[in-house]
Amino acid sequence: AQSVTQLGSHVSVSEGALVLLRCNYSSSVPPYLFWYVQYPNQGLQLLLKYTTGATLVKGINGFEAEFKKSETSFHLTKPSAHMSDAAEYFCAVSPRAGGFKTIFGAGTRLFVKA
Amino acid sequence: DTEVTQTPKHLVMGMTNKKSLKCEQHMGHRAMYWYKQKAKKPPELMFVYSYEKLSINESVPSRFSPECPNSSLLNLHLHALQPEDSALYLCASSLGALAGLYNEQFFGPGTRLTVL
Repeated sequence: AQSVTQLGSHVSVSEGALVLLRCNYSSSVPPYLFWYVQYPNQGLQLLLKYTTGATLVKGINGFEAEFKKSETSFHLTKPSAHMSDAAEYFCAVSPRAGGFKTIFGAGTRLFVKA
Repeated sequence: DTEVTQTPKHLVMGMTNKKSLKCEQHMGHRAMYWYKQKAKKPPELMFVYSYEKLSINESVPSRFSPECPNSSLLNLHLHALQPEDSALYLCASSLGALAGLYNEQFFGPGTRLTVL
């Protein structure tokens, strides 16, 4: 069965500092991988996804993530944090064999200090 | 149009009330989803409709009744809810779930439900 682990329920960075949010998955076959962001009292918005091809994926708002098969990881990074990045971030996977179920990680709350 | 809309934004209801949540998308997506999200938790899947047929029911209590009148609309009918049902209810849609489709889901803004 697939699972997703996000290391750290809370991450705090200073404005302008590097953002690193960690995600590891467990699956016998590498799944499709997603990062979603959720601002307070809003729905989830897709930041980026890895489906096939280049393992470094660029998303919206300056975020990027790298798929590392050997480490079963899909960590999210941004070189310079902005106050507006403060939100909840969810890593998610869906199986390549098809199916409706997307497995979400527990989420990481990002705090950005001025 | 790449938007999923949900109405109402907020809903307060008593335990004996009947109410409905509505979700709409015009992206031509054939799969639509209801999720329940409690504070500080990830979304939990409740129901999935594929081509207007109920495909997944994650053992949701019968006080929640989904309906998919057409490929663009999804409703969630609520009756005799409990206070613990208070949560953010999210609707989502995707192209489908065939192998090779990566099931990217587009989420609506949610309905904040409070049951008194």
